[in-house]
Amino acid sequence: DGGITQSPKYLFRKEGQNVTLSCEQNLNHDAMYWYRQDPGQGLRLIYYSQIVNDFQKGDIAEGYSVSREKKESFPLTVTSAQKNPTAFYLCASSPQGRPSYEQYFGPGTRLTVT
Amino acid sequence: ELKVEQNPLFLSMQEGKNYTIYCNYSTTSDRLYWYRQDPGKSLESLFVLLSNGAVKQEGRLMASLDTKARLSTLHITAAVHDLSATYFCAVDRKAAGNKLTFGGGTRVLVKP
Repeated sequence: DGGITQSPKYLFRKEGQNVTLSCEQNLNHDAMYWYRQDPGQGLRLIYYSQIVNDFQKGDIAEGYSVSREKKESFPLTVTSAQKNPTAFYLCASSPQGRPSYEQYFGPGTRLTVT
Repeated sequence: ELKVEQNPLFLSMQEGKNYTIYCNYSTTSDRLYWYRQDPGKSLESLFVLLSNGAVKQEGRLMASLDTKARLSTLHITAAVHDLSATYFCAVDRKAAGNKLTFGGGTRVLVKP
């Protein structure tokens, strides 16, 4: 089955700890994205990558870091510098060709930091 | 800066009646997406609208795009309980690669 997997589904961390969220896709998509969703709100873009070994900051990159060493994988690290890390994190991927550039979403990771 | 506004934010529907959700955006784009999100779940793609005048229909849902007015609508015909969810529109920022800006969502609750 082709798709996007995220792990873990739920993650609990103490304040001050870094944590890494996994995102893997087997859709052969070039582009991958990380979004954050807070309760009752829309999604905000954290980082995105259009090609292996390259990535760009999104709208709310502060306190986060990413890597893109393989086409299939785009892990997100939430660092201790992120002031309000508790949120629902969604990973997405898309092909980089016409016509639609449609983004497909993974199941999400719910991070709680206390 | 691209802004995307949805209204209403919350919509209480009666089964069997028709309703419309509106999505306005502030700068030029010709790619607009509608997604559905159930509570605690990820986003499910509903429609991809790629050109002015595009209309897509799936079951009781129909989406349209007017790029001149910078407006998309999601029309629900004869609402049923299964359509209870939060609906998001998202607009592609043309000049910045395939980056999406999402609206704040419309929470739909269909009551018997």
